[in-house]
Amino acid sequence: QQPVQSPQAVILREGEDAVINCSSSKALYSVHWYRQKHGEAPVFLMILLKGGEQKGHEKISASFNEKKQQSSLYLTASQLSYSGTYFCGTLGSGNTGKLIFGQGTTLQVKP
Amino acid sequence: DTAVSQTPKYLVTQMGNDKSIKCEQNLGHDTMYWYKQDSKKFLKIMFSYNNKELIINETVPNRFSPKSPDKAHLNLHINSLELGDSAVYFCASSPGLAGAQNREQYFGPGTRLTVT
Repeated sequence: QQPVQSPQAVILREGEDAVINCSSSKALYSVHWYRQKHGEAPVFLMILLKGGEQKGHEKISASFNEKKQQSSLYLTASQLSYSGTYFCGTLGSGNTGKLIFGQGTTLQVKP
Repeated sequence: DTAVSQTPKYLVTQMGNDKSIKCEQNLGHDTMYWYKQDSKKFLKIMFSYNNKELIINETVPNRFSPKSPDKAHLNLHINSLELGDSAVYFCASSPGLAGAQNREQYFGPGTRLTVT
């Protein structure tokens, strides 16, 4: 089942903060975050694991609430380079590597 | 040094034709994937291979046939192309399935397929 992201789109000024949320109706074992700039490939940002372990980007933080089956990505002091579409991807139990992506959140940072 | 490469980058073809997209990774990864991204940016997994073995085979029309000659290559052949096949197809790789929960995927640059 596809996770649901909110909001669908955000417009910010440089230096402002944003939060992107990802919710799933199924139990989550890990949540992956990717960013895709226009015309480019998705690029890995972060992985959050059940139990609190994280792996990823130095300047971006995220949280994972296992009980609520939600993850949030926090973009602070946004830069123009943060513009793009952010996808969360969820994996169930098992090691198939099958990432189910949310519908994406488009972030536009303006000068 | 391109980690995951795809050819061609653009593919324009007519309905009914057969076409192939090739993917290669030089990361030494064991697992490779094909994703389809439609015009609404919805990114959906189609197939995955681990060490040349088919692992994920989503509900994709059997006109789509993946083939992995070795663990560094994963190709996608599409028969009898339809208008609805127009999309961007991404190849990706990851180190392996062990601990897949903690393994990021590396995406290729994509192949934009347009069926007319």
